[in-house]
Amino acid sequence: GAGVSQSPSNKVTEKGKDVELRCDPISGHTALYWYRQRLGQGLEFLIYFQGNSAPDKSGLPSDRFSAERTGESVSTLTIQRTQQEDSAVYLCASSLGAGASYEQYFGPGTRLTVT
Amino acid sequence: GNSVTQMEGPVTLSEEAFLTINCTYTATGYPSLFWYVQYPGEGLQLLLKATKADDKGSNKGFEATYRKETTSFHLEKGSVQVSDSAVYFCARLGGTSYGKLTFGQGTILTVHP
Repeated sequence: GAGVSQSPSNKVTEKGKDVELRCDPISGHTALYWYRQRLGQGLEFLIYFQGNSAPDKSGLPSDRFSAERTGESVSTLTIQRTQQEDSAVYLCASSLGAGASYEQYFGPGTRLTVT
Repeated sequence: GNSVTQMEGPVTLSEEAFLTINCTYTATGYPSLFWYVQYPGEGLQLLLKATKADDKGSNKGFEATYRKETTSFHLEKGSVQVSDSAVYFCARLGGTSYGKLTFGQGTILTVHP
């Protein structure tokens, strides 16, 4: 079956522009996560969705970052007024439920470059 | 807070060599521990996990034992193959009731024939 998909795979944008990154989770997965991986660093948690609500947004770096999820499916991560330090690979993961018993399946990521 | 520390990479080995990638975690609570792998051009995927002290996770010839006394979860394989070349990430569950993961910085492994 289809895995987690993300689009675009690559995005180059100018500093100050807004960008939207999309995640299509595996069908039926209620939990969805966004992570960020900056060059040479591990993955950083950004936000977690259970259904369409986001109980934990603690990893969002600033108020320029926001995310939403609709129809318990697609999620969009929006970065406003992009800065060079936003350059990273943004990874989305989904799981059937929440907690250690449920494997997180990761998408291929969106590589964002802010020039 | 919660953190995970991995050995510095990259690691370069010859085929059939023994592999160890060290991982330690902060001892907050009783986390579940994971190793993820990212093969070239592919997404991150779960390699193995252990949910309590002294548990051993294993998969594809890789093993890791949850050591509470040393707060470690080192990844080992007795005989690596060229196809094991990838980036390996150690991770812990972030002390919440859901699956927020805290990752190490990743270790690049290259295996030569």
